[in-house]
Amino acid sequence: KNQVEQSPQSLIILEGKNCTLQCNYTVSPFSNLRWYKQDTGRGPVSLTIMTFSENTKSNGRYTATLDADTKQSSLHITASQLSDSASYICVVAAGNNRLAFGKGNQVVVIP
Amino acid sequence: GAVVSQHPSRVICKSGTSVKIECRSLDFQATTMFWYRQFPKKSLMLMATSNEGSKATYEQGVEKDKFLINHASLTLSTLTVTSAHPEDSSFYICSARGTKRGGYNEQFFGPGTRLTVL
Repeated sequence: KNQVEQSPQSLIILEGKNCTLQCNYTVSPFSNLRWYKQDTGRGPVSLTIMTFSENTKSNGRYTATLDADTKQSSLHITASQLSDSASYICVVAAGNNRLAFGKGNQVVVIP
Repeated sequence: GAVVSQHPSRVICKSGTSVKIECRSLDFQATTMFWYRQFPKKSLMLMATSNEGSKATYEQGVEKDKFLINHASLTLSTLTVTSAHPEDSSFYICSARGTKRGGYNEQFFGPGTRLTVL
């Protein structure tokens, strides 16, 4: 069964600090991995998309890494801002284009 | 990125009524649209996949007669929740997929519709 596990489930960080979110998956065959940011009551917004040949990709203060061998990905948030408070969802696309969603990492940035 | 809109953003209805939710791709043609449901603090659950001009494909456990999906054009899909009940209260999100961009079959998500059934 294609699964995506994210950790930690939630975390609270001080404004200006960095944090790293983890994603482990068992999706096969693997097509690509995406990280989305979902604000409360809103739809997911794409941050990064990576195929198996890409190890890292950045989008502003967000940097995603991918290790296709260990089937792990991380999302690093640098110099967090209050507006970074959201749920970060790891989504893995299988070869048939079906998406497997993680439950999300709930991040709360406090001043 | 491409823009997908949903209408309404919020709806409150009485039990037994039907509610229609629209999903539009504003700046691209969506050959495939997807409907998801999300409960609080849970991940998105795919309900159905619809291709323009053909019948929707429903996920296991999703009642096709209760959740009517129409994808009449390349920019519009509608989800109708028929005879809604309180347990249908949820956050409904659509996404749209068009031609490949950058080599990915990327899905663009709408902002979601919060349905509350009293």
